[in-house]
Amino acid sequence: DAKTTQPPSMDCAEGRAANLPCNHSTISGNEYVYWYRQIHSQGPQYIIHGLKNNETNEMASLIITEDRKSSTLILPHATLRDTAVYYCIVRPFSSGSARQLTFGSGTQLTVLP
Amino acid sequence: DAGVIQSPRHEVTEMGQEVTLRCKPISGHNSLFWYRQTMMRGLELLIYFNNNVPIDDSGMPEDRFSAKMPNASFSTLKIQPSEPRDSAVYFCASSPGRKETQYFGPGTRLLVL
Repeated sequence: DAKTTQPPSMDCAEGRAANLPCNHSTISGNEYVYWYRQIHSQGPQYIIHGLKNNETNEMASLIITEDRKSSTLILPHATLRDTAVYYCIVRPFSSGSARQLTFGSGTQLTVLP
Repeated sequence: DAGVIQSPRHEVTEMGQEVTLRCKPISGHNSLFWYRQTMMRGLELLIYFNNNVPIDDSGMPEDRFSAKMPNASFSTLKIQPSEPRDSAVYFCASSPGRKETQYFGPGTRLLVL
């Protein structure tokens, strides 16, 4: 699976957009970008994933650059409850059986009041 | 929707004792994953099952660890004998299989004295 690079920490003001970057310069054509987050003392939570088109759901938006070497997770209106470690994971999509996730060190996002 | 259920939520035991962690995946999910999280090593996959069959156990630390999935609604992770270095949070996750999203349980916090 392609390696990802994320900043270790970021701050964001409550109510503002949080933009979390991820570099995956060695991504290959069949690999998707996944984002999970882990709120303190809880299990990781799926946020969003995408291949090359931008994606949006009720939680966040995912912007993937045209060359697919980097992406940005956007939380449009961050709240204090969004304080968590955010993991960017790159891996092939399997149409058959499921595969494991390989977690890096992630980005600690702190939303400030 | 009950989500992934893990028990116990907390376990304190003495070195040398047997520890059994339990997981009930989301109904209808056919893939199950066991992860371990420590400050030093982050989140690591231990083993995962597809349709109750172990697929990859290369992350299991040593022979003291064993995992079973006797049916689609139950899995156990056993440590015998336990050691202080096994202290960690153990997460179970399940997935619908053909989709890649994994749903994590709340974890079991294990402390081996």
